[in-house]
Amino acid sequence: GNSVTQMEGPVTLSEEAFLTINCTYTATGYPSLFWYVQYPGEGLQLLLKATKADDKGSNKGFEATYRKETTSFHLEKGSVQVSDSAVYFCALRYYNNNDMRFGAGTRLTVKP
Amino acid sequence: SQTIHQWPATLVQPVGSPLSLECTVEGTSNPNLYWYRQAAGRGLQLLFYSVGIGQISSEVPQNLSASRPQDRQFILSSKKLLLSDSGFYLCAWSFRTGFGIQYFGAGTRLSVL
Repeated sequence: GNSVTQMEGPVTLSEEAFLTINCTYTATGYPSLFWYVQYPGEGLQLLLKATKADDKGSNKGFEATYRKETTSFHLEKGSVQVSDSAVYFCALRYYNNNDMRFGAGTRLTVKP
Repeated sequence: SQTIHQWPATLVQPVGSPLSLECTVEGTSNPNLYWYRQAAGRGLQLLFYSVGIGQISSEVPQNLSASRPQDRQFILSSKKLLLSDSGFYLCAWSFRTGFGIQYFGAGTRLSVL
């Protein structure tokens, strides 16, 4: 079945460090891919998305490229800030399908 | 614009007591609605989703039930809570068609003691 695998956390970085959170997926066809972010005590917010192969989603300095050849959608940011501390979820879903699959989440802590 | 409201934000309930969590969406019609549970330190587990009034699909058999009495209202219930029902419950909505971006409420933290 369809599934998403994220790198396990927690991840702790110093401010201005480079961030990569790995995400790979298992699916047939061409799902849409998403990154959601959950700040402490809050619900999830969409961070970025990509709907077809080679698309790059970007928002707030974060980027992720839909790589069909490696079935990956790794999240990157060049210079993290303390305010980026949160849990990040990778997810996939097919167009017009109710079934969205989330990864287990990766907790990021950025220290000043 | 669309908004989603979920309440209460925090709830402490004794084992064996009933539960009712409510979620409402404003600014759209005929949304898909979802209930998720997030156990401590774990990912999201889809509990129920609904594509219309009175239409509920259950993903995981358990102690909980869901109802959709109105188009933009989604309720999560239990007759008797278990300790294992503790967790963070999230309601979400999405447009009926499209790429399926889900928009989440702020969540309810439930502690069953």
